[in-house]
Amino acid sequence: GQQVMQIPQYQHVQEGEDFTTYCNSSTTLSNIQWYKQRPGGHPVFLIQLVKSGEVKKQKRLTFQFGEAKKNSSLHITATQTTDVGTYFCAGRANSGYALNFGKGTSLLVTP
Amino acid sequence: ETGVTQTPRHLVMGMTNKKSLKCEQHLGHNAMYWYKQSAKKPLELMFVYSLEERVENNSVPSRFSPECPNSSHLFLHLHTLQPEDSALYLCASSQGGQFAPQHFGDGTRLSIL
Repeated sequence: GQQVMQIPQYQHVQEGEDFTTYCNSSTTLSNIQWYKQRPGGHPVFLIQLVKSGEVKKQKRLTFQFGEAKKNSSLHITATQTTDVGTYFCAGRANSGYALNFGKGTSLLVTP
Repeated sequence: ETGVTQTPRHLVMGMTNKKSLKCEQHLGHNAMYWYKQSAKKPLELMFVYSLEERVENNSVPSRFSPECPNSSHLFLHLHTLQPEDSALYLCASSQGGQFAPQHFGDGTRLSIL
């Protein structure tokens, strides 16, 4: 079945450094969503990408969807302590019946 | 306030107990979900109710039984659970079907003794 893999599993950065997490699928995705979960909290929807090669920005966050629609990335510029949390991607295969979540990348930002 | 309310927030139960988790969404959405979140594992979709039709993950054991009396309420009935069922159980809702952006509740932290 479809799997969504995320790397890295953990990332520890100094405040002000950049951060990137990558999401890869074994099959072509019809869309990809990104969520953020703060420690002790619940996943919060950030964005959805649908088109091949699509790039969207939210302030310091840049989201990309690969040309083949099998991979995606989230890049944070100049991290802040408020960026701490786990970032999940979730994708649906073209023939899938549900979203498949990656295991997430846990980001720790130290001042 | 997320718009999706789950009760209880924490639950400790023995393996022979029967309990239910409750979820209510105030967003007017037409799909609701149960997810299981365990350490070091991806979010696992357990059940979906979308447009009043139930879709489920066939790997979910029968000791978990969902109920969706209307589009705003969702229950997860639990009986004779196992220690490996200890996890955070998240309810979510969405508008426009099961592939639309999902709004999660705060979850129920379940511990099986």
